[in-house]
Amino acid sequence: DARVTQTPRHKVTEMGQEVTMRCQPILGHNTVFWYRQTMMQGLELLAYFRNRAPLDDSGMPKDRFSAEMPDATLATLKIQPSEPRDSAVYFCASGLGMNTEAFFGQGTRLTVV
Amino acid sequence: GQQLNQSPQSMFIQEGEDVSMNCTSSSIFNTWLWYKQDPGEGPVLLIALYKAGELTSNGRLTAQFGITRKDSFLNISASIPSDVGIYFCAGLFFGAGSYQLTFGKGTKLSVIP
Repeated sequence: DARVTQTPRHKVTEMGQEVTMRCQPILGHNTVFWYRQTMMQGLELLAYFRNRAPLDDSGMPKDRFSAEMPDATLATLKIQPSEPRDSAVYFCASGLGMNTEAFFGQGTRLTVV
Repeated sequence: GQQLNQSPQSMFIQEGEDVSMNCTSSSIFNTWLWYKQDPGEGPVLLIALYKAGELTSNGRLTAQFGITRKDSFLNISASIPSDVGIYFCAGLFFGAGSYQLTFGKGTKLSVIP
């Protein structure tokens, strides 16, 4: 049963701490997306990669967020330092290309206190 | 950026009734996607539409890609309790090296047994 796997499922951290979220895309998928979901803004695209190369991260606050793909089976989203306004559910999604549908993981619910 | 207007925001219906929701945009899209999200889970793809005018079914679900490429609707026939959830439309535009996947704010569906 192929699926996108995200860890951790939940994270509570204090303001100022570093947070790292991990994603294992579906095997064979070459496109990876990071989304943030909040009640106010809905689903927002933060960044996406194709063949491990970052194509666009304009949706991310550059000063504190960073996204990487160390290898084809791992994508990371890091926030340093975290702030309360970063509290949200962060989703990773993967797909076979830019013009096809994306399959979502279960998300990481981040709470920054 | 592109914005999608999804309506209605929420619906309460009796089990067995049909449901209709739609999304409109001021911009054109190459692909329309419909997702369903259950509490604590990531969005799950229901239907993907790739061509203007396309009408596609998936069981009791039917969706159409508007001729103008600026709108789409999703119909659910004979609703059942497990249809409860939040339904999102998403418009995908890609071309000339750019990629934009924009989500609507969602339609929260409640089914009364």
